[in-house]
Amino acid sequence: AQKVTQAQTEISVVEKEDVTLDCVYETRDTTYYLFWYKQPPSGELVFLIRRNSFDEQNEISGRYSWNFQKSTSSFNFTITASQVVDSAVYFCALSEVGNTPLVFGKGTRLSVIA
Amino acid sequence: GAVVSQHPSWVICKSGTSVKIECRSLDFQATTMFWYRQFPKQSLMLMATSNEGSKATYEQGVEKDKFLINHASLTLSTLTVTSAHPEDSSFYICSARTSGRAWSYEQYFGPGTRLTVT
Repeated sequence: AQKVTQAQTEISVVEKEDVTLDCVYETRDTTYYLFWYKQPPSGELVFLIRRNSFDEQNEISGRYSWNFQKSTSSFNFTITASQVVDSAVYFCALSEVGNTPLVFGKGTRLSVIA
Repeated sequence: GAVVSQHPSWVICKSGTSVKIECRSLDFQATTMFWYRQFPKQSLMLMATSNEGSKATYEQGVEKDKFLINHASLTLSTLTVTSAHPEDSSFYICSARTSGRAWSYEQYFGPGTRLTVT
């Protein structure tokens, strides 16, 4: 069975601080996909990244970076120099190969204070 | 490309009435659509999976007679909440999957529908 754990329920940081959101996953498949989504107060999910299990390269996109480590089954997300607009709930999700839905973690609520 | 719309974006209804929510893939054909429910300050929970032209598959604990799902075409799936009650108040989100190679996976989410039952 697949499972995603986001142990941090809420995080509060001061603007310009760096913050890392943790994600640990469980799956029996060797091929799978990992995702991060942002959910602002409006509710609409904003896609941030998709990573397949064969690509362990870290990725950087502007102030966002992701660290994928299969050895620890983790896919952590770092926001550098956080901004108030980063305040949202962030979800990590997992999908196994095939016509399977995404399984979401419980989410981490990030508050960035000016 | 790959836009999914939901209608309505929000709805308020009285207890005992039925509400239909539409999910449309605007610029691609969706062989599979998923329906999620999200209660306040909680995560998205999968309710059901629907494949075009066949019956939906419901997750354990989801009443199929209460949450009717119809996936009549490759661009439209509907979720009808029958005899809605206040505990059905929630944020309903659909997602659509494109048909493609078995090892690839693309899923696009709609903006969600906020249902309030009074």
